[in-house]
Amino acid sequence: GENVEQHPSTLSVQEGDSAVIKCTYSDSASNYFPWYKQELGKGPQLIIDIRSNVGEKKDQRIAVTLNKTAKHFSLHITETQPEDSAVYFCAASRAGGYSTLTFGKGTMLLVSP
Amino acid sequence: DTGVSQDPRHKITKRGQNVTFRCDPISEHNRLYWYRQTLGQGPEFLTYFQNEAQLEKSRLLSDRFSAERPKGSFSTLEIQRTEQGDSAMYLCASSYRDYYNEQFFGPGTRLTVL
Repeated sequence: GENVEQHPSTLSVQEGDSAVIKCTYSDSASNYFPWYKQELGKGPQLIIDIRSNVGEKKDQRIAVTLNKTAKHFSLHITETQPEDSAVYFCAASRAGGYSTLTFGKGTMLLVSP
Repeated sequence: DTGVSQDPRHKITKRGQNVTFRCDPISEHNRLYWYRQTLGQGPEFLTYFQNEAQLEKSRLLSDRFSAERPKGSFSTLEIQRTEQGDSAMYLCASSYRDYYNEQFFGPGTRLTVL
């Protein structure tokens, strides 16, 4: 089955700095890679995803990149704000049919004012 | 529609008791998933429904766990004879049947087994 590795496990940055979280996956057939943000006591919130037919996607301060050859994908947050502090999870799945998500173990991002 | 809802949000029970959780998906979503999340880990897949049919169960779903979605709308997850190792956050997600199957999660039910 799929295995997703995520690092770092914790990341501390100053407000305004950039943050990068990296994930690798094992199943070369995976082609859908969502990112979730989870705040304390809440369920994961889908913030952005990337599909295997593109190498990069951007939404305001958030961008994701995908390298299918190396089987890794990354989340980039620019101009970080204290409200970005949360646990971020990457996930991977095979699209088409039914598709369950395999998650990484998460990255706790702390943005200091 | 305000998203996926789950009830209760918190449940404390004694070992050996049975518990049942409910999930109401986003109304037009015909796919429903249950995940379990323990401290410091990402969500782990438990089971999946398309409409009322349960199509896949993880090996994490022991015989003490059962899930239903009787009319293809809300779903229930029951744990019989709870054990301390069942303590976790139980998350429900729903999606609309399309190729990429974007999943939207509810707030979860936090179970503590004493």
